[in-house]
Amino acid sequence: ETGVTQTPRHLVMGMTNKKSLKCEQHLGHNAMYWYKQSAKKPLELMFVYNFKEQTENNSVPSRFSPECPNSSHLFLHLHTLQPEDSALYLCASSQEERRETGELFFGEGSRLTVL
Amino acid sequence: AQSVTQLGSHVSVSEGALVLLRCNYSSSVPPYLFWYVQYPNQGLQLLLKYTTGATLVKGINGFEAEFKKSETSFHLTKPSAHMSDAAEYFCAVSAPNFGNEKLTFGTGTRLTIIP
Repeated sequence: ETGVTQTPRHLVMGMTNKKSLKCEQHLGHNAMYWYKQSAKKPLELMFVYNFKEQTENNSVPSRFSPECPNSSHLFLHLHTLQPEDSALYLCASSQEERRETGELFFGEGSRLTVL
Repeated sequence: AQSVTQLGSHVSVSEGALVLLRCNYSSSVPPYLFWYVQYPNQGLQLLLKYTTGATLVKGINGFEAEFKKSETSFHLTKPSAHMSDAAEYFCAVSAPNFGNEKLTFGTGTRLTIIP
């Protein structure tokens, strides 16, 4: 069992659909992150939650809506997406946001295709 | 602001040959530096990190990297490539002791091993 689990692993959706990505971490961490990974681009930090509170929204369009009900779970709600939103969405966690080690633990990602 | 430049989006080496993946960083304060590896269809995994102290750091799977402040570099090396090293490698920088906890990633280098 990996420390950070993401579901679904693959998702295909139309532009008018509403879907959600789920992330669960079993590491006892207090900070969780959503990253977007697109081909030939650096990883883009989208959202950061520290102790369930959102501490960063990196100018992400409102069609992406995060939710963090507790320190172990993180969701990314998707609605009216665009084809350019197709990417690998990675969830990560760390001990806490102001972390001495700087290390992130990543899930395997959710591959999203928007038609 | 911090940034990372990875020279070469694709690197191919023969099995048993030296692996050298280049990373240069820009930071106005002493950085933390990281190499992450992403195997196909998986999330990112920490390979090694430099925070303070010894400038030559050793990681998993026989990889190591040397922090060279004068060259603002943190190149990743492995003496002898193995087929299982085929993956994408990401260099990243942060400065958590100077108020910048966020990891800034490079665009990645895809390593191919030639049998």
